Amino acid sequence: GESVGLHLPTLSVQEGDNSIINCAYSNSASDYFIWYKQESGKGPQFIIDIRSNMDKRQGQRVTVLLNKTVKHLSLQIAATQPGDSAVYFCAENTAGYSTLTFGKGTMLLVSP
Amino acid sequence: GAVVSQHPSRVICKSGTSVKIECRSLDFQATTMFWYRQFPKQSLMLMATSNEGSKATYEQGVEKDKFLINHASLTLSTLTVTSAHPEDSSFYICSARDTRRTGPYNEQFFGPGTRLTVL
Repeated sequence: GESVGLHLPTLSVQEGDNSIINCAYSNSASDYFIWYKQESGKGPQFIIDIRSNMDKRQGQRVTVLLNKTVKHLSLQIAATQPGDSAVYFCAENTAGYSTLTFGKGTMLLVSP
Repeated sequence: GAVVSQHPSRVICKSGTSVKIECRSLDFQATTMFWYRQFPKQSLMLMATSNEGSKATYEQGVEKDKFLINHASLTLSTLTVTSAHPEDSSFYICSARDTRRTGPYNEQFFGPGTRLTVL
């Protein structure tokens, strides 16, 4: 299930389940979105990105969905594995601007 | 490709001393690099944008005299935490944007981070 901690929401799933991590973004002008995976003590690792002219993009075992109407982004991980356990961040960018704005993050815990 | 390194990976220093953290793009040139700070169980907060050959652009609330940034070459940016205090203890992460990628979207490649502990 999903719980909200003091700072970081946590999603706990069983190995083999599909995971859905959600992100609400604030800037309606944002038109480029990225999901990052961050393992403990490491830097963020690129997972998948999507531009605002799309509403869905698929990668290997991952799918990103974008709903611009409600400013919502989700990351779906199929057949979740223990190695997927990490913190996942969404980030948004506006074309022509150099900076990324990161969301609060969700910790994914996968039990074997 | 698109590898970014940071040095050191961990540093422990005494209060009042200065610490320099290096960020290098190993296989590409980066006109622009970014420095982030991350406290435990929190998100990445952008501190500053480092521009090769010019002054860094600092985010609101970040003291430019305390966090000195130098971007003297297309592959190296340094962050110096001056007169460090325990509240500066954090995970510092840099990222770099590949100069060859000229599209409007901001693809950044991240370093592995530097854990700073100030005693």
